[in-house]
Amino acid sequence: AQSVTQPDARVTVSEGASLQLRCKYSYSGTPYLFWYVQYPRQGLQLLLKYYSGDPVVQGVNGFEAEFIKSNSSFHLRKASVHWSDSAVYFCAVSAPSNTNKVVFGTGTRLQVLP
Amino acid sequence: NSKVIQTPRYLVKGQGQKAKMRCIPEKGHPVVFWYQQNKNNEFKFLINFQNQEVLQQIDMTEKRFSAECPSNSPCSLEIQSSEAGDSALYLCASSLWGGNTEVFFGKGTRLTVV
Repeated sequence: AQSVTQPDARVTVSEGASLQLRCKYSYSGTPYLFWYVQYPRQGLQLLLKYYSGDPVVQGVNGFEAEFIKSNSSFHLRKASVHWSDSAVYFCAVSAPSNTNKVVFGTGTRLQVLP
Repeated sequence: NSKVIQTPRYLVKGQGQKAKMRCIPEKGHPVVFWYQQNKNNEFKFLINFQNQEVLQQIDMTEKRFSAECPSNSPCSLEIQSSEAGDSALYLCASSLWGGNTEVFFGKGTRLTVV
């Protein structure tokens, strides 16, 4: 079964700084990978997804992620964060053989200091 | 923006009481998911449907939890006899073809069992 690890429960950065949120997955093949963001009192919103092709995928609001198969990683990056990016970010995975079940990491709470 | 509507947003129940929450998936989405998100941001998959039929569900769901997605009516998740450990955010989500396409989440129902 697939699993996801987000090793950083909290990350604090200053506005304008670059950002990397780490995600490692466990799956024997190539899974479907996602990053979601959860703002306070809001549902989860999809930032980006990876199925195949270019390992660097672009998402909304300037976010991107890179799939590195050899490292089983799918880290999220942003060149310059804004205070409004403060939220909880979840990495998620689903198996191509069982796409009706998405497995989430425990999230990274991002705080952007003004 | 997601159009998955969950009601109520907040639910407070005593131990042993029934708790029922509803979800209207995005129009045209045949696949509906229910997840439980606890205070540690751990997601637990509960059940999913495709066109009113149960696709997968966990054992916990089979005992005190019940869910349905009747045609032309909101989907629902009901806990027959609430326990303190059921206190969590219950998220409903829907998608077109399952977890490999974008899954749209509602804002959730926060259940507190006192």
